[in-house]
Amino acid sequence: DSGVTQTPKHLITATGQRVTLRCSPRSGDLSVYWYQQSLDQGLQFLIQYYNGEERAKGNILERFSAQQFPDLHSELNLSSLELGDSALYFCASSPSGLAEGADTQYFGPGTRLTVL
Amino acid sequence: SQKIEQNSEALNIQEGKTATLTCNYTNYSPAYLQWYRQDPGRGPVFLLLIRENEKEKRKERLKVTFDTTLKQSLFHITASQPADSATYLCALSGGSYIPTFGRGTSLIVHP
Repeated sequence: DSGVTQTPKHLITATGQRVTLRCSPRSGDLSVYWYQQSLDQGLQFLIQYYNGEERAKGNILERFSAQQFPDLHSELNLSSLELGDSALYFCASSPSGLAEGADTQYFGPGTRLTVL
Repeated sequence: SQKIEQNSEALNIQEGKTATLTCNYTNYSPAYLQWYRQDPGRGPVFLLLIRENEKEKRKERLKVTFDTTLKQSLFHITASQPADSATYLCALSGGSYIPTFGRGTSLIVHP
């Protein structure tokens, strides 16, 4: 158990809908990362937050947005869902995120999103 | 563009042998390279981190090498066990600080 929690574990929805994925980092970790993993794309970095502020952005679509709240939990919002958005979404946390890539990331169990 | 390559074919070995997995990269000068283990349907688990100025790192039965001239990292598991069967991902970071993961290599250890 990494100490990172994600809810829900599974989500089935229809095209065009909007969903929210939730992540609670390990106690004391300030950074939260979001990743998308699909069979044909591997693990793709979406976005990172550090202590409430956006710190790095990857291949995140404009239909997707995220935020980190004062209690450090984070939410990833996916809207206007398409079939191709079906994937595993992982959240990871790290102690600081300030060591320019040297932080160990602790991954949550993931949310499996299925868009029908 | 930046590219990370890990062997897409599964590596099959016998229990007790040493497994060696390869991570090659191009158009990238990472300051850090990390290896993770991922079991089906679960999140990756951190194993080892090696810095660009380190040539080798060890942890128990695991060893990682990092050759910035060849742009390659090798990941070794000695005395492999069936419980080591999983997918192993390499990840590069540093500089732009956008973590980039390879697609992983599946390791299958046969008893």
